[in-house]
Amino acid sequence: DTEVTQTPKHLVMGMTNKKSLKCEQHMGHRAMYWYKQKAKKPPELMFVYSYEKLSINESVPSRFSPECPNSSLLNLHLHALQPEDSALYLCASSQDATDTQYFGPGTRLTVL
Amino acid sequence: GEDVEQSLFLSVREGDSSVINCTYTDSSSTYLYWYKQEPGAGLQLLTYIFSNMDMKQDQRLTVLLNKKDKHLSLRIADTQTGDSAIYFCAESRGGLTGGGNKLTFGTGTQLKVEL
Repeated sequence: DTEVTQTPKHLVMGMTNKKSLKCEQHMGHRAMYWYKQKAKKPPELMFVYSYEKLSINESVPSRFSPECPNSSLLNLHLHALQPEDSALYLCASSQDATDTQYFGPGTRLTVL
Repeated sequence: GEDVEQSLFLSVREGDSSVINCTYTDSSSTYLYWYKQEPGAGLQLLTYIFSNMDMKQDQRLTVLLNKKDKHLSLRIADTQTGDSAIYFCAESRGGLTGGGNKLTFGTGTQLKVEL
């Protein structure tokens, strides 16, 4: 089983809203990732968690706040977003530091 | 440099072979990957090759790696309409100090399969 699940599938929010994206994997992977993808572009890395600790923050604005409550779950809390933050947000996981990354189906976010 | 380049578009007829190319610049890459993305979907891992290999075959997919020229290709035999998608190559340069690994993605190639 190489499944990564993400909820919700679609999300529309206003600039003053607070919302969260959720990602889950039950493969026993110890590294989890958040990516942002604009249309027709490659994914851009946002955050990396390894063994439930934040290991990489690619200079992401503080209106995006990641959280890893346990080894199977990864959240992305959103607050005061801008319309340019509208994108597909992808979660991925890998067994460990050098292993293959498996992606979820993504959350399509629209900020009005 | 960190650029990974792909041609933007490829159009083939159903039943023909497709060849998608990728060039990268970092010779320290450890693994190279091919991902497929259909409209509105996430990235599906197709195949990968370790940097000390020069070829890998997996059913209709053949990956060729030329380390000297830093060139990677994906050949899809007997291309079907269901193969229409964007294909991304990606390179991994090994583990990050704090854990996890960083992929550098190519620009993506839109494959269109015509009847």
